[in-house]
Amino acid sequence: NAGVTQTPKFRVLKTGQSMTLLCAQDMNHEYMYWYRQDPGMGLRLIHYSVGEGTTAKGEVPDGYNVSRLKKQNFLLGLESAAPSQTSVYFCASRPGATSSYNEQFFGPGTRLTVL
Amino acid sequence: AQSVTQLDSQVPVFEEAPVELRCNYSSSVSVYLFWYVQYPNQGLQLLLKYLSGSTLVKGINGFEAEFNKSQTSFHLRKPSVHISDTAEYFCAVSGRGSEKLVFGKGTKLTVNP
Repeated sequence: NAGVTQTPKFRVLKTGQSMTLLCAQDMNHEYMYWYRQDPGMGLRLIHYSVGEGTTAKGEVPDGYNVSRLKKQNFLLGLESAAPSQTSVYFCASRPGATSSYNEQFFGPGTRLTVL
Repeated sequence: AQSVTQLDSQVPVFEEAPVELRCNYSSSVSVYLFWYVQYPNQGLQLLLKYLSGSTLVKGINGFEAEFNKSQTSFHLRKPSVHISDTAEYFCAVSGRGSEKLVFGKGTKLTVNP
């Protein structure tokens, strides 16, 4: 099993450009998450999904959109990138509420720079 | 809602010395507690977790943590560290029944020879 994978690993954007980050998991997990990591800030939740076709806002959702059209994929979109969105983005997944195994599994991250 | 405070942003230690990384949490409901480790330029990996039962939890790489409900703490310890333990460590809390994890800001552990 590959676990949680993220595409791309690195990206440089100019202010105002758009892009989509792809997260894929092969563990049949119900829940998926997008976080951003900034120095000294820990991980902050952007958006999450508790199942196919559902999404919800996290702590810092502004400037981002998400979609979960398939259970195994969770997409994070930036419609008009800003320098404040320069960060490392992590995707995570975990089994659903009926499982007692509620650990989150993380992908390797995407390093995004907005100039 | 839950919150996590990691009391030290950086902890330098010498190889083979013991280490304790401190974590306090706040919650109005019962919680699950986690410690994750992040090696340079990598994702997060679970070290250990407390769900219920024994308050002393053992994890990978010789780490352990103790859940103290009265002090709302979940400190991480290792009796003898190695150079390879150099990493950033994150404490996280989840309210029981919650879909979300709340992370602390992290503690950078540097093990010097």
